[in-house]
Amino acid sequence: DIQLTQSPSTLSASVGDRVTITCRASQTVSRWLAWYQQKPGQAPELLIYQTSTLISGVPSRFSGTGSGTEFTLTISSLQPEDFATYYCQNYNGFSGTFGQGTKVHIQ
Amino acid sequence: DVQLLESGGGLVQPGGSLRLSCAASGFSFSSYAMSWVRQAPGKGLEWVSGISGNGIGTYYADSVKGRFTMSRDNSKNTLYQQMNSLRAEDTAIYYCAKGDHSGSPPYYFDVWGQGILVTVSS
Repeated sequence: DIQLTQSPSTLSASVGDRVTITCRASQTVSRWLAWYQQKPGQAPELLIYQTSTLISGVPSRFSGTGSGTEFTLTISSLQPEDFATYYCQNYNGFSGTFGQGTKVHIQ
Repeated sequence: DVQLLESGGGLVQPGGSLRLSCAASGFSFSSYAMSWVRQAPGKGLEWVSGISGNGIGTYYADSVKGRFTMSRDNSKNTLYQQMNSLRAEDTAIYYCAKGDHSGSPPYYFDVWGQGILVTVSS
């Protein structure tokens, strides 16, 4: 199975900060990578698929880039509602593995 | 509105069985594969199982193969997961999730249910 490693595991930031989360794959996943946001006590929500395609309704401050084995999720100006845990997921391999998550909390 | 609503969770002893259901609404259910994704307490997400839109293909993670069985009733817009020989490590919130296409894995998931807790403990 393809392994995904996110960094950092936790991140302290302030409202208005630019935040970048990295997801590295153990082998190439081409551009078959998605990002999810999960708030405490809630189900995950899809933010981005195919590396950089934003789901309708997701604010434009979220963006995704990358290809092959290295990908990034960027929040250009962190808002209070963005404090959450973020997961990457590859859908190139059979089981569609997830990264271990990056928790973004208030500094 | 597109909605997924899980039911059937609860406390079960090791070695026991449980059946989860997921009622779907707001989209053409038979046109999409469905999956179960679980999250152990305080942990990350793990894809568990998937089923094609027509119900013919079923797919399982190695961790549950031979113990869990997915099925769907497209006439009732409902997804099921029969879980047998449950272990403590199966304790998790189980999410029903809509796949992005109708066929075999892999998928990404654009709609999620609210989740249902399964606790395996004596």
